[in-house]
Amino acid sequence: AQSVAQPEDQVNVAEGNPLTVKCTYSVSGNPYLFWYVQYPNRGLQFLLKYITGDNLVKGSYGFEAEFNKSQTSFHLKKPSALVSDSALYFCAVRDMSSGNTPLVFGKGTRLSVIA
Amino acid sequence: DTEVTQTPKHLVMGMTNKKSLKCEQHMGHRAMYWYKQKAKKPPELMFVYSYEKLSINESVPSRFSPECPNSSLLNLHLHALQPEDSALYLCASSRGGSTQYFGPGTRLTVL
Repeated sequence: AQSVAQPEDQVNVAEGNPLTVKCTYSVSGNPYLFWYVQYPNRGLQFLLKYITGDNLVKGSYGFEAEFNKSQTSFHLKKPSALVSDSALYFCAVRDMSSGNTPLVFGKGTRLSVIA
Repeated sequence: DTEVTQTPKHLVMGMTNKKSLKCEQHMGHRAMYWYKQKAKKPPELMFVYSYEKLSINESVPSRFSPECPNSSLLNLHLHALQPEDSALYLCASSRGGSTQYFGPGTRLTVL
């Protein structure tokens, strides 16, 4: 079975400071990993994904994430946070070694960037 | 273009009503999904269509009935819903098992 853990319900950061939103995963095979962001009363917006290749993945709006196989982590990062980054962030995983398995989401982390 | 559209944006219905949610994409994606999302929770998968055939039904009550008329459209027919069915209903599409692109959702309130 596959699972995702986002250990922090809330992350607070000052505008201009670097931010990290944590994600760890568990799959039996090879993972496809995704980050999505959700603004209030909106759908999920795709930020970035890891499939294969470079462990550092760059995505939309200046976000990046680092795939760490030994720590089974895929933390989301941004060098300088903006107030407009305040939103709900979801990490998700698919086990690509097990056929057409569904995407499994973490519980979400609310990011609050304070001016 | 990575746009998935959903109509209506908001829907209020009584427990005896019949209504439908609609989803459309023109990205050539052959997999389409319905999710239910409660406030401050992750989306919960309801149904998956692959090449216009229902491939996954996550034990959803029969008062929710999906339909995929063609490769671009996905409907969710609602009948005799309960107040606890009030939620944001999200549609998504993907090319195979890759990135899922989500629509803006329909906010459903059942009175």
